Amino acid sequence: GNSVTQMEGPVTLSEEAFLTINCTYTATGYPSLFWYVQYPGEGLQLLLKATKADDKGSNKGFEATYRKETTSFHLEKGSVQVSDSAVYFCALMRGGSTLGRLYFGRGTQLTVWP
Amino acid sequence: NAGVTQTPKFQVLKTGQSMTLQCAQDMNHNSMYWYRQDPGMGLRLIYYSASEGTTDKGEVPNGYNVSRLNKREFSLRLESAAPSQTSVYFCASSEALVTEAFFGQGTRLTVV
Repeated sequence: GNSVTQMEGPVTLSEEAFLTINCTYTATGYPSLFWYVQYPGEGLQLLLKATKADDKGSNKGFEATYRKETTSFHLEKGSVQVSDSAVYFCALMRGGSTLGRLYFGRGTQLTVWP
Repeated sequence: NAGVTQTPKFQVLKTGQSMTLQCAQDMNHNSMYWYRQDPGMGLRLIYYSASEGTTDKGEVPNGYNVSRLNKREFSLRLESAAPSQTSVYFCASSEALVTEAFFGQGTRLTVV
């Protein structure tokens, strides 16, 4: 079946530290991969995406590369800010009969201290 | 821009009661979705509507019904609430099934 596994949190970092949140997936074929972010009290927002192998998605200083060989889509940021504190969700979408369905990981809570 | 609006934001129900969660979007999107979010788990799809007039089951449809009232509105109904339905419910919409989904702020439902 389709599933996403992401590293458990919470993750606590100091401002300007390097961030990595690991995400691996299980799916047949070539799914599209996403990172969503949920700020406190809000709904999810799309952070970045990649639709084919070796694509790199990027936004707001965050990056993730679609690695087909390791079935991974790890989220990175070189220098985090307090405002990056949020819950981050990795997700995939396949085509065919499940088109439109997002399959989410459990989420990783990130807290950045000044 | 309102985007995706859900009502109510909070609700407490007794076991066996019924209620309808409302969702409306003002982006002229064709596709709409209902997800639930439980502690320690990612969001799971309950039902979705690819376009006006169609609805389909997602991963966890049992105990729920939906209505795509028109292009803007997609409601989720719990006919007989159970404690296992305590969750945060998110509505989302997208221009098409393949495009970016925009989420509402969620409805926190507690069934006692």
